[in-house]
Amino acid sequence: KAGVTQTPRYLIKTRGQQVTLSCSPISGHRSVSWYQQTPGQGLQFLFEYFSETQRNKGNFPGRFSGRQFSNSRSEMNVSTLELGDSALYLCASSIPGQGGLSSYNEQFFGPGTRLTVL
Amino acid sequence: AQTVTQSQPEMSVQEAETVTLSCTYDTSESDYYLFWYKQPPSRQMILVIRQEAYKQQNATENRFSVNFQKAAKSFSLKISDSQLGDAAMYFCAYYETSGSRLTFGEGTQLTVNP
Repeated sequence: KAGVTQTPRYLIKTRGQQVTLSCSPISGHRSVSWYQQTPGQGLQFLFEYFSETQRNKGNFPGRFSGRQFSNSRSEMNVSTLELGDSALYLCASSIPGQGGLSSYNEQFFGPGTRLTVL
Repeated sequence: AQTVTQSQPEMSVQEAETVTLSCTYDTSESDYYLFWYKQPPSRQMILVIRQEAYKQQNATENRFSVNFQKAAKSFSLKISDSQLGDAAMYFCAYYETSGSRLTFGEGTQLTVNP
């Protein structure tokens, strides 16, 4: 089974621009989560999508948004880029549970997209 | 809010020796999961081991084992017979079932010396 894929792998943008990153989950996985990794803040949760709906959101400004398509592929968008948005953006897919202690299903991570904002 | 703390930014170990990475967390939840992830230079996050909070028995995966102390909110990772391929950044992570999110610690960079 193919793993989680993320495109592009590397991206260079300038301040003020916007960017869209893509994540294709493992076949059959319907939940996609996004994380930002920076040297200063570490790994932080951005949001989670399930069945085309945002189910959870981290503490990021509204410039960060996402969506999920009917085939479970997800995109995240960052508008009005700032220097501090330079980071590795990771997505992870899983088969979501239905709630309760047994609801956890392993999140499989993609290789990430390295975004550099100049 | 749940927090995860890894107090060792860097650790080193000799090949074939044993090393223990520390992690503490803070939560008011009684049911949760804890994980150790490995991130090699390729940046691919790889799950090393998981522990369900309701299980008293410590998880073990081959050379990797944990010491889970629920009352102390401590979750350390022991790597036995360290190999060069174990060199990586290791992250401790907490999963809250209600939030469907992973909260990560700051990471510990492990170096394995030949």
